[in-house]
This record gives sequence, structure tokens and C-alpha cells, in this order.
Amino acid sequence: EAQLVESGGGLVQPGGSLRLSCAASGFAFRDYAMSWVRQAPGKGLEWVSTISGSGGNTDYTDSVKGRFTVSRDYSKSTLYLQMNSLKAEDTAIYYCAKLRGTYFGAFDVWGQGTVVTVSS
Amino acid sequence: QSALTQPASVSGSPGQSITIFCTGTSSDVGGYEYVSWYQHHPGKAPKLMIYDVSNRPSGVSNHFSGSKSGNTASLTISGLQADDEADYYCSSFTGSSTYVFGTGTKVTVL
Repeated sequence: EAQLVESGGGLVQPGGSLRLSCAASGFAFRDYAMSWVRQAPGKGLEWVSTISGSGGNTDYTDSVKGRFTVSRDYSKSTLYLQMNSLKAEDTAIYYCAKLRGTYFGAFDVWGQGTVVTVSS
Repeated sequence: QSALTQPASVSGSPGQSITIFCTGTSSDVGGYEYVSWYQHHPGKAPKLMIYDVSNRPSGVSNHFSGSKSGNTASLTISGLQADDEADYYCSSFTGSSTYVFGTGTKVTVL
């Protein structure tokens, strides 16, 4: 059974950095694109970033471009999100999600999420 | 990229059918067959209910169905059940190689 487990969330001051991890199991990690999706308190789901199965293509929502970097380690079947210059508005539950295809489609497997709080 | 538009809430009695609409533009919902729907119970992982406009993943009840017309997609829940009460989100791939979610709809079973 496919499974995703996020870690790395926590409390960080504005301007600080944090690296989220997402350990994948139960599927061929290299064959699928992966994404990060977040949900701010009291708000809806917001797509953050996608990385292709090969790692050669990445995309970001405008509000995190230049601050967040998505990457993946095939030897560890792990997805990462490096978050720099964090702002209060980045406070959210961050979910990693597997895409059904190589880059297009639906998010068919989700983790339980990790909480990021940006506050002084 | 603006969020897709969904009604904030929809309610129905057990056994009734409800439909949630998701309105976008020709750059997202209207331009691609990559519309999907998610059920989300707060505090839990979202669950894929419909992919590629109208397809159900294995294990999802057939009382969920999806369709699309122009820039508007819809999710119909037939024979509403108590455990269908949750938040529902649509999502679409966009022309910018990004994804956009809907504003979310809270479904209440009366």
C-alpha cells in the first residue's frame, strides 16, 4: 500500500528556514511526480509545488517562488521542501501528495501533514 | 492564479442527492481534462474521490460522480450518507503547468 509520511514541521521565526521531508513507500518513487499542498488555519487547500518523476521539472505557486525549493532523493525515496525567508502567511499544515501520473493528473496518495508555524 | 469558485456550503438529508459546482476558466477547468475532487475531514489526509473529471479510484463508492461542462465541473453525491459530511475541494491542472484548488465546500448531512 502506498504511504507518505511527512516530518520536519515546527515553530520558526519570520525570516527563518525549515526543511520538510516526506518519506514514501509502497510504490515506485521514481515513476511519479510529487507535490506539496498546504492549508493555512481556517483556509482551503493551496497547491505549493510539484516536481516531476525525473526531478528535471519543478513548478511553484507565485507566493513561494524564489523562497522554496522542492527536491527528491531516490536512494531514500524521500521528497523535500526547503523553505527559506519564511513569512507569517506560510503558517499552515503542509501535505505531500503523489500524482497519478508523471506530471499531470490527480493527487491520489496524501500524507497526514506536518504543521509549520511562523511566528516571533 | 485565482482559486476555483465553489459554494461555501451545501446540505441535504440522508438519501438525497446534492451537487457541488466548481467554476474556473478556459485556462484551467475548461482547458484540461485534469479535474479532480477531494474529500477532507479536518485533521486527516485529503482523499481523492474523482480524477480526470469523471473517474472514480478503486474503493470509492459509486454514489460519487463527476462531470464537466465548459469552465464548470461538478461533483454529485447520490444517496447522501452521514459519513459523507466533510469538506470537498475541486482541483485542476492549469496552463501554467501549475495546479489550482477550489475554495472548498462544506457538506452537511441534515
